[in-house]
Amino acid sequence: SQQGEEDPQALSIQEGENATMNCSYKTSINNLQWYRQNSGRGLVHLILIRSNEREKHSGRLRVTLDTSKKSSSLLITASRAADTASYFCATTTDSWGKLQFGAGTQVVVTP
Amino acid sequence: GAGVSQSPRYKVAKRGQDVALRCDPISGHVSLFWYQQALGQGPEFLTYFQNEAQLDKSGLPSDRFFAERPEGSVSTLKIQRTQQEDSAVYLCASRPYQETQYFGPGTRLLVL
Repeated sequence: SQQGEEDPQALSIQEGENATMNCSYKTSINNLQWYRQNSGRGLVHLILIRSNEREKHSGRLRVTLDTSKKSSSLLITASRAADTASYFCATTTDSWGKLQFGAGTQVVVTP
Repeated sequence: GAGVSQSPRYKVAKRGQDVALRCDPISGHVSLFWYQQALGQGPEFLTYFQNEAQLDKSGLPSDRFFAERPEGSVSTLKIQRTQQEDSAVYLCASRPYQETQYFGPGTRLLVL
């Protein structure tokens, strides 16, 4: 079973627009990570936010975490066609650091 | 440097065949994970190694699934008597002591 759920399931935007996707999870976490997966390629780590952090930035990415609501959001600003991919949130809850993924948000950015 | 590599990239098996999937982690990475990703879904955890020790195999779906990492580097995921429901992408990830996991490209398994 999946720990997280992403919303929306799919998102279609034009280049230059911002893309926002949300992730909700069920249990207390150690950290939450966002990954990107392009068609036919492996998962690429984007950003990690720890349970005691509320917001983090990396380039055009902004992640927020609300542990009281068990939710996180990923904002991609000024999107590009190359941002077209599936985005997954993943949480860790144990000492091994195994990742529990949501079902992902498919983002399509059209020129 | 070289990333995580997996082989084969694609595997077609007839139902009932045994398959072996290989993962070459990044050199020096202590931790190694296997995940299974069904079509349209997020990856699901299968098993975890720290060096050669398999510390968590709670995600393996049945006793037909077996993983090993005998020398603490290369790992093999073996599936015996494959079934159609085993069709998925199998992802391997390795990690040094920090939190970020580095994923390989995956092996796409199709069981006919």
